[in-house]
Amino acid sequence: EAAVTQSPRNKVAVTGGKVTLSCNQTNNHNNMYWYRQDTGHGLRLIHYSYGAGSTEKGDIPDGYKASRPSQENFSLILELATPSQTSVYFCASGGDWGIYEQYFGPGTRLTVL
Amino acid sequence: GQQVQQSPASLVLQEGENAELQCNFSTSLNSMQWFYQRPGGSLVSLFYNPSGTKHSGRLTSTTVIKERRSSLHISSSQTTDSGTYLCALDPNNNAGAKLTFGGGTRLTVRP
Repeated sequence: EAAVTQSPRNKVAVTGGKVTLSCNQTNNHNNMYWYRQDTGHGLRLIHYSYGAGSTEKGDIPDGYKASRPSQENFSLILELATPSQTSVYFCASGGDWGIYEQYFGPGTRLTVL
Repeated sequence: GQQVQQSPASLVLQEGENAELQCNFSTSLNSMQWFYQRPGGSLVSLFYNPSGTKHSGRLTSTTVIKERRSSLHISSSQTTDSGTYLCALDPNNNAGAKLTFGGGTRLTVRP
């Protein structure tokens, strides 16, 4: 099973500050994803990537940037954090070429004050 | 409209009872995945099941593409089965390998 780790696990940020959430996967998956989970909205896709150097917008990309510097690492960047971005963020990795199973990291709880 | 609908939204069982969780979708799909999530926890993949029936212990997943539905059957429920069950599909819409999640079924199993 793919190993997906996230850091930090918990983060408190101030409004207007910059926040970087990091994700690492060790299963050599091409695809990586960032989701946020909120009560009443479920899981929603923010950004995703098909491989090193690529980033794509998901369903709710506004206010977020992503970076995929290598096969293993995928970061989510909040340049100017707002209280509405308080949420739990999950990173996932997944295969391609017909098998699209995704594996999730433990999550990062972000609070923006 | 919503592509993935789960039912029931919540379910309470006595330990030992069986449960049938439903996931209905309005699009063709590349993949269907069932996850389990404890409160405050991450998503644990239970099944990757784009079609047919799969078994894992007391759990069975069945996806019927023609009927646009997938189900998760839990037999002889235990208190440790309590949590939220999520289905997610990757629509066959040439938009890349992305999952769309249902709203989840919150299961409570009482001793």
